[in-house]
Amino acid sequence: KNQVEQSPQSLIILEGKNCTLQCNYTVSPFSNLRWYKQDTGRGPVSLTIMTFSENTKSNGRYTATLDADTKQSSLHITASQLSDSASYICVVTVNSGNTPLVFGKGTRLSVIA
Amino acid sequence: DTGVSQDPRHKITKRGQNVTFRCDPISEHNRLYWYRQTLGQGPEFLTYFQNEAQLEKSRLLSDRFSAERPKGSFSTLEIQRTEQGDSAMYLCASSFGELFFGEGSRLTVL
Repeated sequence: KNQVEQSPQSLIILEGKNCTLQCNYTVSPFSNLRWYKQDTGRGPVSLTIMTFSENTKSNGRYTATLDADTKQSSLHITASQLSDSASYICVVTVNSGNTPLVFGKGTRLSVIA
Repeated sequence: DTGVSQDPRHKITKRGQNVTFRCDPISEHNRLYWYRQTLGQGPEFLTYFQNEAQLEKSRLLSDRFSAERPKGSFSTLEIQRTEQGDSAMYLCASSFGELFFGEGSRLTVL
């Protein structure tokens, strides 16, 4: 069964600190992996999209990694800001079938002063 | 084009009433998705269109739910005889490669 597991479920960090969110998937055949940021009450906004051949991709203070062999991805946030408080959702695209997207449940990040 | 548009953004209704949500995808996006999201959870797949064809429906989509995309452009999601358990955020997304989400339609059933 195609699944995406995210950890931790929630995380509280101090402003200015770094953190890393994890995404493990059992999706086959794999097409790509996306990280989204979702503010409370808003729609998800794309942070990065990574294909099979990409190991690292950065978007400002966000850096995503992908290990296609172990089927793991991480999202590293550097020098966190209060505005980083949100849910971060990992989404894996299946390269076949009619339900191409598999969502994780997200990690709820709270950045406090 | 300013992205995926959803309407209404908020809807409060009494149990038993029907509600309809509309999604206008980004122009020329051939794929359109509907998801339901409750507080603290990730989006749950409801249904998926490629152009006007509805290719997949989740078992979450009971007989009270129906979705259409008549001309392969905008889509509607109708919920008949709403129940309190239908209260959620209904998200629409469209893609032609990259996936973009709308801001969602929040439904509250009293």
